[in-house]
Order: sequence, then structure tokens, then C-alpha cells
Amino acid sequence: RKEVEQDPGPFNVPEGATVAFNCTYSNSASQSFFWYRQDCRKEPKLLMSVYSSGNEDGRFTAQLNRASQYISLLIRDSKLSDSATYLCVVNILGGFQKLVFGTGTRLLVSP
Amino acid sequence: EAGVTQSPTHLIKTRGQQATLRCSPISGHTSVYWYQQALGLGLQFLLWYDEGEERNRGNFPPRFSGRQFPNYSSELNVNALELEDSALYLCASSLAGLDSGGDEQYFGPGTRLTVT
Repeated sequence: RKEVEQDPGPFNVPEGATVAFNCTYSNSASQSFFWYRQDCRKEPKLLMSVYSSGNEDGRFTAQLNRASQYISLLIRDSKLSDSATYLCVVNILGGFQKLVFGTGTRLLVSP
Repeated sequence: EAGVTQSPTHLIKTRGQQATLRCSPISGHTSVYWYQQALGLGLQFLLWYDEGEERNRGNFPPRFSGRQFPNYSSELNVNALELEDSALYLCASSLAGLDSGGDEQYFGPGTRLTVT
């Protein structure tokens, strides 16, 4: 089983739609979680950290479910500019501490 | 505030040569991370430097090495280049290292290495 798994998509949605992505992780000891956004051939940019209580930033809401070991990202009122690949990132703590990136979920928002 | 910078933007080498990639972290950041992103694939963790020391490395052969300088900038060296080393190499920096619970990482624009 991969350490971090995401549905690669693409998710094709019209402008104004609400879309949600899930990401599952295998290491129950993981403590830090992030969502990054990556545009084609560009570097990943931090979208938001994911806190235990969940957090919201404008149209974006992130949730953490430790019991089921997944995090989610909800985007409301999708804009054309939201088209990108969304990377789920987990800090795998333990003897080999590292950030593990999911392979990303591609979102395409159309007019 | 200046972000993470990397140089060069593009690098073309032939098989067997050595490549050196450079990274300057955000001012005040002491941790630097290197990642490899091959075309169509996810980011693979390469190396983590903090306070001048290598703290961890990913599942890459020893010909991938690097160092961190006293000013926290970093260099990634890839020896005996192979065709499959062609990828985007991304550097990221953070205020604190991963063992603090994980701080957000900020990425540079990357160096695109092409091995022919």
C-alpha cells in the first residue's frame, strides 16, 4: 500500500461547482498534513495546512479524519483559475522522518 | 521577502557527466529539502539538510549527494548522470525541520535537468 494515495482524476467540473478530493495515508503516526497546488511545469505552492479541527480559507476547506486516516479538500464556487493538480502531503514521523507527497489530483474547471 | 531561489533554471548534460544544482532558502529558514519530480510522476524526497548537516535521505543511490553551507544555501550534486535522472529538481525550505512536527515547506521554481 502506498504511504499516501490520491485519485489522479481528472475531475472535470463547471465554474461555480463544488468539488472535493480525498487523500488516504497509511501511517497512523503521521502528525502533519498539507495541501499543495501545482500548476503545469511549476513548483508546488502551499495551499493550506490541515489541522485536527479542520480549517477553512475562503472557498477552501480542509478536514482531517484520523480514525479513517484520510484528509479532504473541498473547493466551493470553483473558478477557472483553480484548474491545477492538488497534492496531498503527509509528514511521516518515526525512524525515517520525511514528507511524502501524493501523486496529485488533477482538477479542470471549465466555463 | 524573497522566496526560495534555484539555479540554473535549465541544465543539459550528457550521460556520465556531473551536475551541480544550487538553492538559496528563504531568509531565516534553516532547513532545506531536495526533491526529484520526473515527468508525470510525483515528488520523490531526495535529501534534507538542517543546520549544515544531512538529516535524512530518500531512496536514491549515493551518486546523489549534497551539502548545506553556513549561510543555509545548499547544493545538490549528481554524479555519473544517467538518462533517467532527467527531471525537475525542486528545492524547498522551512523554518523548522521535520522532527519539530513538520513545518510548511516553500518551494523554489526548480531546475530542469535534461540528460542526453
